[in-house]
Amino acid sequence: EAQVTQNPRYLITVTGKKLTVTCSQNMNHEYMSWYRQDPGLGLRQIYYSMNVEVTDKGDVPEGYKVSRKEKRNFPLILESPSPNQTSLYFCASSFGQGPEAFFGQGTRLTVV
Amino acid sequence: AQSVTQPDIHITVSEGASLELRCNYSYGATPYLFWYVQSPGQGLQLLLKYFSGDTLVQGIKGFEAEFKRSQSSFNLRKPSVHWSDAAEYFCAVAPGGYQKVTFGTGTKLQVIP
Repeated sequence: EAQVTQNPRYLITVTGKKLTVTCSQNMNHEYMSWYRQDPGLGLRQIYYSMNVEVTDKGDVPEGYKVSRKEKRNFPLILESPSPNQTSLYFCASSFGQGPEAFFGQGTRLTVV
Repeated sequence: AQSVTQPDIHITVSEGASLELRCNYSYGATPYLFWYVQSPGQGLQLLLKYFSGDTLVQGIKGFEAEFKRSQSSFNLRKPSVHWSDAAEYFCAVAPGGYQKVTFGTGTKLQVIP
């Protein structure tokens, strides 16, 4: 089954404790990206990757890192999480013309 | 930089009535345009997309959208709404393939019997 898998689905952590949210897709898609969703703000793109070893900043990259060492994986790293990074995070992937189609189920992160 | 405006935060329609959700974008050239739907607790699902060509685009679940360059709009329509259409709808814009994406803030649709 074609899918984008994020882990974990829920995470509560403390300020400053490094964490990684994993994202994996099984469709051989070139394009992957991370979004955060906050009430009233819609989705905002954090980082995107056009292919292996090619990443670029979205609209809200501060406080986040990504890597794309393999085509299928695109982890999101928070080196020193802060409470303002409490949010719902989505990973997405696509192939071809644009950021279309496949979203993960989301990761709800709470930083206390 | 591109931007997207969804002027309606919340819309309520009766089941069986027609629906139009508004989306206005700002971008120098013709962008790639998308509509997504998000049901509660779920990820986003692509409804339809516009890259070029015919300005009336058909999507899944009976939705369509019309690109109007002169109005910088990409409004989503459905002739007859079903209770299962209650969800949040997002319009998005990108300059082209594999580019940065900007989403609107969403329109929450409520369907009443």
